[in-house]
Amino acid sequence: NAGVTQTPKFQVLKTGQSMTLQCAQDMNHEYMSWYRQDPGMGLRLIHYSVGAGITDQGEVPNGYNVSRSTTEDFPLRLLSAAPSQTSVYFCASSILAGGNEQYFGPGTRLTVT
Amino acid sequence: QQQVKQSPQSLIVQKGGISIINCAYENTAFDYFPWYQQFPGKGPALLIAIRPDVSEKKEGRFTISFNKSAKQFSLHIMDSQPGDSATYFCAAQLTNYGGSQGNLIFGKGTKLSVKP
Repeated sequence: NAGVTQTPKFQVLKTGQSMTLQCAQDMNHEYMSWYRQDPGMGLRLIHYSVGAGITDQGEVPNGYNVSRSTTEDFPLRLLSAAPSQTSVYFCASSILAGGNEQYFGPGTRLTVT
Repeated sequence: QQQVKQSPQSLIVQKGGISIINCAYENTAFDYFPWYQQFPGKGPALLIAIRPDVSEKKEGRFTISFNKSAKQFSLHIMDSQPGDSATYFCAAQLTNYGGSQGNLIFGKGTKLSVKP
């Protein structure tokens, strides 16, 4: 199993550009989520999904969209990039929402200039 | 309240020493408390987890101590090694309900450096 994969690994965007961060898992996990990690801020939940066709907002959803058309894929879209979105983004998945290990991807380092 | 407060922000320990990281939570309904370990350039990975029906859980050199009345839990790393140098995150979760209440709430992290 590849586990949780993320692409790209690094990305530089100009303010106002849009892009999609890709996330895929091959473990048949129902629960998937996106976090951003900033220095001194820990991991903050952006959006999450408890199954295909179901998504919801986390703690910091503004400026991001998600969709979940399949169990395997959970892309994160930046609609109009801003410097405040410079961060490291992690995708994670688990069997169920509660009390199970979350498996994290390797991360995408995004810089918005 | 949904916050999890973690301390210290950074920690330097000599090889062979004991590393202790503390976390405090406010929501008494939380019922799952994991610790994640993150090496530079990698995603976090589950290290050890505890439920509030026990006061301590040990896995090798790693121990979680849990104090339900004080709403605190801590990670102890015995015989700390340079290979333990990483960022550690505590987290809390309410697992009895679906929706947003099931999400992990993370502390802000502790950067541990173990000196040879």
